[in-house]
Amino acid sequence: DIQMTQSPSSLSASVGDRVSITCRASQRINKSLNWYQQKPGKAPKPLIYTASNLQSGAPSRFSGSGSGTDFTLTISSLQPEDSATYYCQQSYSPIWTFGQGTKVEVK
Amino acid sequence: QVQLQESGPGLVKPSQTLSLTCTVSGGAISTDNYYWTWIRQPAGKGLEWIGRIYASGSTNYNPSLMSRVAISVDTSKNQFSLKLSSVTAADTAVYYCARVYYYDGTFDYWGQGALVTVSS
Repeated sequence: DIQMTQSPSSLSASVGDRVSITCRASQRINKSLNWYQQKPGKAPKPLIYTASNLQSGAPSRFSGSGSGTDFTLTISSLQPEDSATYYCQQSYSPIWTFGQGTKVEVK
Repeated sequence: QVQLQESGPGLVKPSQTLSLTCTVSGGAISTDNYYWTWIRQPAGKGLEWIGRIYASGSTNYNPSLMSRVAISVDTSKNQFSLKLSSVTAADTAVYYCARVYYYDGTFDYWGQGALVTVSS
């Protein structure tokens, strides 16, 4: 299986800050990487697909980059409603896997 | 707007079989270009992919659960189902069903989730 490792596990930042979350795959996955946002008690919502494409309806302050093994989710200007846990997910392998999640707290 | 809704018992005894159904509305489950999948999340933990099915009936499962999992589809009812056998307390989790776009593997629509507790 392809292992997905996110860093950091959690972070705390202020409104307006630029925030980045990293996801590393245990082998090359081209651009087959998606990002999700999950708020407490809710199902995850898709944010970014194929590494850098913004999902319809997702705010434009979210962006994704990377290919191969290293990927980044960036929030350009953190907002209070961005307080959530973020997951990466690879779809390169027939066996899909998620990162362990990064919890973002907005101060 | 596609909607998915999980249903099934919220309490299952150890060693028994967990059974959940996902009802899809707003779109046909037999539509090309989509997989239908199950994911679970123990309390306070991350997401674990369980398996997927295509409308044709072809399946793929997480190797860690493969010996205990079966996913099936009923296109006449626009539903797909999960069975997980020989459950233990470690299978206690919120179970989600979701639709996955075939071409990029994005889980684009999710159910609200169903909490299943394994306890005697």
